[in-house]
Amino acid sequence: DIQMTQSPSSMSASVGDRVTITCRASQSISNYVNWYQQKPGKAPKLLIYAASSLQSGVPSRFSGSGSGTDFTLTISSLQPEDFASYHCQQSYTTRTFGQGTRVEIK
Amino acid sequence: QVQLVQSGSELKKPGASVKVSCKASGYTFSRHAINWVRQAPGQGLEWMGWIDTNTGNPTYAQGFTGRIVFSLDTSVTTAYLQISSLKVEDTAVYYCARDLSNSWPAWEYWGQGTLVTVSS
Repeated sequence: DIQMTQSPSSMSASVGDRVTITCRASQSISNYVNWYQQKPGKAPKLLIYAASSLQSGVPSRFSGSGSGTDFTLTISSLQPEDFASYHCQQSYTTRTFGQGTRVEIK
Repeated sequence: QVQLVQSGSELKKPGASVKVSCKASGYTFSRHAINWVRQAPGQGLEWMGWIDTNTGNPTYAQGFTGRIVFSLDTSVTTAYLQISSLKVEDTAVYYCARDLSNSWPAWEYWGQGTLVTVSS
């Protein structure tokens, strides 16, 4: 099975900060990475698919990059509604999630 | 609009069984597989597997074989997750999810989640 190593597991940031979350795959997976945002008590929400495609309706401050084994989710200017957990997912073969990143208010 | 609506919370004793439903609407049910995801309290997301809604063929992820069964009732466009011989560690929120309409393997649509609590 393909493993996804996500970092950091948690972080503190302020409104307006640039935030970067990374995921590393245990083998090359082309661009088969998706990113989700999850708020407490809610289902995950798709932000980015195919490593860099912004899902419809998602603000442009969210972006994704990477190919092969290394992938990044970037929030260009953190907003109050962005404090949440973020999960990467590989969909190259079966499905695997990273461990998640909790973004908290500094 | 596309919706996945799951059944309500369950409280079960160890050794019992539970069946969670996921009713789909707003699209042709047979065109998109249904995936199941587990999230234990305070933990990350775990993919449990998926069921082909065209053939009914299930695929179970490693670590989720033996006590779980995916099934369908196409007449009511509903997918089911059944877990038998429940253990305390099965306590979690269970989600169903569906791929993007453009068929890229990412999950655009999710059920609201079903909390299953296993406690004596």
